[in-house]
Amino acid sequence: KAGVTQTPRYLIKTRGQQVTLSCSPISGHRSVSWYQQTPGQGLQFLFEYFSETQRNKGNFPGRFSGRQFSNSRSEMNVSTLELGDSALYLCASSADRVENSPLHFGNGTRLTVT
Amino acid sequence: AQRVTQPEKLLSVFKGAPVELKCNYSYSGSPELFWYVQYSRQRLQLLLRHISRESIKGFTADLNKGETSFHLKKPFAQEEDSAMYYCALSPTDKLIFGTGTRLQVFP
Repeated sequence: KAGVTQTPRYLIKTRGQQVTLSCSPISGHRSVSWYQQTPGQGLQFLFEYFSETQRNKGNFPGRFSGRQFSNSRSEMNVSTLELGDSALYLCASSADRVENSPLHFGNGTRLTVT
Repeated sequence: AQRVTQPEKLLSVFKGAPVELKCNYSYSGSPELFWYVQYSRQRLQLLLRHISRESIKGFTADLNKGETSFHLKKPFAQEEDSAMYYCALSPTDKLIFGTGTRLQVFP
């Protein structure tokens, strides 16, 4: 089985721009979660989708949004980028509820905001 | 508040020495706890979960509700255990991660 695929691997944007990150989960997985990883804050939960519905959301501003499509692929969007948004964004998929089945992580998209 | 604390940023041991990576949590409900590991240039992956009560790669972790701890232990460290280890707590539909502990095992 192919693993979780995130595209692109690297992105460089300037302040004020917006960005869209993509995640393809493992085939058959219906839950997709997004995490932001930074040296200072570590891994922080952004949101989780299951069957196209957002089930849970972390403490991030409304500039961070996401969606999930009928094929379980997910996108994450960040608008009006700030320098502090520079981070590694990780996507993870799971077969069932997060607390019941392991998360399978992608390699991440490294976003640099200048 | 829901929180996971890993007090050590770095733990260095020699091969064959025992290892204990500490994890404490704060959660009012019945916790689901996990250890995730990231080896160099690899993806973050599940190492073990408390509900399975299993040993993976020689590692075990016991949930102590009285001390709100879920420490990861291995009696004899190997060089290939060198990695970043994250303890995680799962309330509904998300994981709350600790800041991680880097384990360095010297030959």
